[in-house]
Amino acid sequence: NAGVMQNPRHLVRRRGQEARLRCSPMKGHSHVYWYRQLPEEGLKFMVYLQKENIIDESGMPKERFSAEFPKEGPSILRIQQVVRGDSAAYFCASSPPSAGAIIEQYFGPGTRLTVT
Amino acid sequence: QKEVEQNSGPLSVPEGAIASLNCTYSDRVSQSFFWYRQYSGKSPELIMSIYSNGDKEDGRFTAQLNKASQYVSLLIRDSQPSDSATYLCAATNIYSSASKIIFGSGTRLSIRP
Repeated sequence: NAGVMQNPRHLVRRRGQEARLRCSPMKGHSHVYWYRQLPEEGLKFMVYLQKENIIDESGMPKERFSAEFPKEGPSILRIQQVVRGDSAAYFCASSPPSAGAIIEQYFGPGTRLTVT
Repeated sequence: QKEVEQNSGPLSVPEGAIASLNCTYSDRVSQSFFWYRQYSGKSPELIMSIYSNGDKEDGRFTAQLNKASQYVSLLIRDSQPSDSATYLCAATNIYSSASKIIFGSGTRLSIRP
């Protein structure tokens, strides 16, 4: 199965610790997107990356959050000094290089972050 | 005004009937449109994408796009209990990167046996 992979699936952190979420895109996909979903709420765009480039980070909080997609290895969403409000499901999606009017994104299983 | 708006539901439909899910969007998002299905505790699953006016059919699903009225809908024929989920409408934002998708808050659909 060459779907989008995320790990860990569940992550518990105490306030003030760092959280690192990983995402490996589908085979053949070079674009990665991160979304956050709070309980009973919709998906909120955070950041769009291509290999070694951040294309759009307009949805990322200005502090404590960062993302990267290195030349080798998975994309990483990093949250420093986590607070309880960071508790959410974080989803990664990937898409192939753009070709035409529609760029379809496929989601991974998500990482559920709980901050205690 | 939200960029993508959906009725949160729940929408209750008897098994075997047609479920109709609707979504409206603002001028700021008007390129491509998507319907995702999300089961509780799971990740969104892409059902349909559409960017041309009119209907697009795939099995029991039909997506309808009307750019003049700024709405997009999803019809599910012969509804099954397994169709019970939250359906997310999404659109790309023409003022941002073409790949940035804006999601509505979702409509909960319940198919009653």
